[in-house]
Amino acid sequence: GAGVSQSPRYKVAKRGQDVALRCDPISGHVSLFWYQQALGQGPEFLTYFQNEAQLDKSGLPSDRFFAERPEGSVSTLKIQRTQQEDSAVYLCASSPPRGEGPLDEQFFGPGTRLTVL
Amino acid sequence: GNSVTQMEGPVTLSEEAFLTINCTYTATGYPSLFWYVQYPGEGLQLLLKATKADDKGSNKGFEATYRKETTSFHLEKGSVQVSDSAVYFCALKGSSNTGKLIFGQGTTLQVKP
Repeated sequence: GAGVSQSPRYKVAKRGQDVALRCDPISGHVSLFWYQQALGQGPEFLTYFQNEAQLDKSGLPSDRFFAERPEGSVSTLKIQRTQQEDSAVYLCASSPPRGEGPLDEQFFGPGTRLTVL
Repeated sequence: GNSVTQMEGPVTLSEEAFLTINCTYTATGYPSLFWYVQYPGEGLQLLLKATKADDKGSNKGFEATYRKETTSFHLEKGSVQVSDSAVYFCALKGSSNTGKLIFGQGTTLQVKP
């Protein structure tokens, strides 16, 4: 079946522009995560949704970052007034409901590479 | 807080050599431990996992044992292939309900024929 998809795959923004990154999780997956991966580093947690509820946003680096998942499926990560330090790969992952798939496994999308000039 | 530390790379090996990539962690409670792999041009994939002390995760010839006494989860493979060339990430999931993963910085493995 289809995996997690993300769009766009690449985004170039001028400093100060707003961007929106989209994640389509695997159908039926209730948990959705966003991570930020800087060049040469491991992914770092940004935020977590269970269905439409954002249960943890402790990793969002500033109030310029905002995520939503209004219908419990597709999610959008929005970054306002982008800065150069926002340049990174943004990864989305989803996982199935407890008892309906491999315990603890998160399925990752290919990521969106954001470059802020 | 919780954290993961991996050996720095790149690690360069000849085909059929033995591989060890070290991973140690700091966590409260009883975390679950994972190895993820990122092949060139592809997304992160779960390689193996262990959910409690002394568990051994294994997949595709790779193994890692959850050692609570040394807080380690080292990745090993007896005979690497060129196709194993990738970036390997050690990760943990803590005891919180969110399920978020905490990753190490990644180790690049290059296998030469």
